[in-house]
Amino acid sequence: AQSVAQPEDQVNVAEGNPLTVKCTYSVSGNPYLFWYVQYPNRGLQFLLKYITGDNLVKGSYGFEAEFNKSQTSFHLKKPSALVSDSALYFCAVRDANSGGYQKVTFGTGTKLQVIP
Amino acid sequence: GAVVSQHPSRVICKSGTSVKIECRSLDFQATTMFWYRQFPKQSLMLMATSNEGSKATYEQGVEKDKFLINHASLTLSTLTVTSAHPEDSSFYICSARTSGGFYNEQFFGPGTRLTVL
Repeated sequence: AQSVAQPEDQVNVAEGNPLTVKCTYSVSGNPYLFWYVQYPNRGLQFLLKYITGDNLVKGSYGFEAEFNKSQTSFHLKKPSALVSDSALYFCAVRDANSGGYQKVTFGTGTKLQVIP
Repeated sequence: GAVVSQHPSRVICKSGTSVKIECRSLDFQATTMFWYRQFPKQSLMLMATSNEGSKATYEQGVEKDKFLINHASLTLSTLTVTSAHPEDSSFYICSARTSGGFYNEQFFGPGTRLTVL
């Protein structure tokens, strides 16, 4: 079974400060990891993914995430937060060795609030 | 980037009626489509996965006779909530994945807010 944990329901950060949204995962094989953002009453927008290669992945809107295999983490980061980054962020994982319909498991989401 | 549309974006219906939600991939062919349900302040719950031309695979606890899914073509999937009840009120999101890539990311529709009175 695969699972994702986002330990923080909400993260508050001042505009211009660096932000981190935490994510840890559990899979039996190698992980494919994803971050999505959701604005109110909207669907999810893809930010970035880790499949293989460099542990530091760069994505949309200045976001990046670092894959840490030993800590089974994939934290989302941004050097300088914007008010417009305020949204709900979901981490997701898929087991690279899974067959069938290759389901993605989502975390419970972290609400990011950037304070002006 | 790939675009997925959903129609309608918002629907209000009376209890006992059926509601159909359409999900379309606008600029790519989606061999696999997913339907999710999202409750307020909660994560996405996968309801079912469908491949074009075959029956949908439902997750445990999801009633397939109540949530009818038809993946008629490579660009269209529909979810019909039959005999809707107030507890079916939710935010329904579809997602599509392109063919040819095991790890291709999923592209999400904007969601449909269903309210059953």
